[in-house]
Amino acid sequence: SQTIHQWPATLVQPVGSPLSLECTVEGTSNPNLYWYRQAAGRGLQLLFYSVGIGQISSEVPQNLSASRPQDRQFILSSKKLLLSDSGFYLCAWSVGLGGTGDNYGYTFGSGTRLTVV
Amino acid sequence: GEDVEQSLFLSVREGDSSVINCTYTDSSSTYLYWYKQEPGAGLQLLTYIFSNMDMKQDQRLTVLLNKKDKHLSLRIADTQTGDSAIYFCAEGILSGGYNKLIFGAGTRLAVHP
Repeated sequence: SQTIHQWPATLVQPVGSPLSLECTVEGTSNPNLYWYRQAAGRGLQLLFYSVGIGQISSEVPQNLSASRPQDRQFILSSKKLLLSDSGFYLCAWSVGLGGTGDNYGYTFGSGTRLTVV
Repeated sequence: GEDVEQSLFLSVREGDSSVINCTYTDSSSTYLYWYKQEPGAGLQLLTYIFSNMDMKQDQRLTVLLNKKDKHLSLRIADTQTGDSAIYFCAEGILSGGYNKLIFGAGTRLAVHP
């Protein structure tokens, strides 16, 4: 069965420090991968998605970047964190179009709560 | 444009039915989804419905889709305290080689005795 791992679960970082959040998927190949941010009391904002190794698309301009060095690894980074980067970050995967699966829904990781102080 | 809207709060008594409503704007959606988020956790897929269906029932959950009005609802029968959570509606749109999910802001369901 497929599983998605996301770490760390919580993180407190000072303003101006770097960030690296990691997400890995097991039990599938060629997944589509996503990074979402959920600000306190608000909905989900898609930050990045990737349909293959080295292929990253950004949905919104921001202080963050993403990389996909391996098929099932997705990394969210920042060189210098801002206070506004605080939030709950969620990684997710889905089957690619044309893959097996009947609804193309997303499976989410357990999330990382980032507090920038 | 792509937009999904849902009310922010719903309070129900334990044992009653809960109905969470959602409207969306893009008529080209393929599937529509309901996700549940418990405090401090990720989102869990509850159920989904293909866009050419009107209704889907899964145990205590009933999904109704009115494609003409672009309205989706989730009914939870015999609501329990364990159903207290945030419920997200999402529509799936095939875009740029992937199934793009557009989420609503979430409805916080509070179940009281």
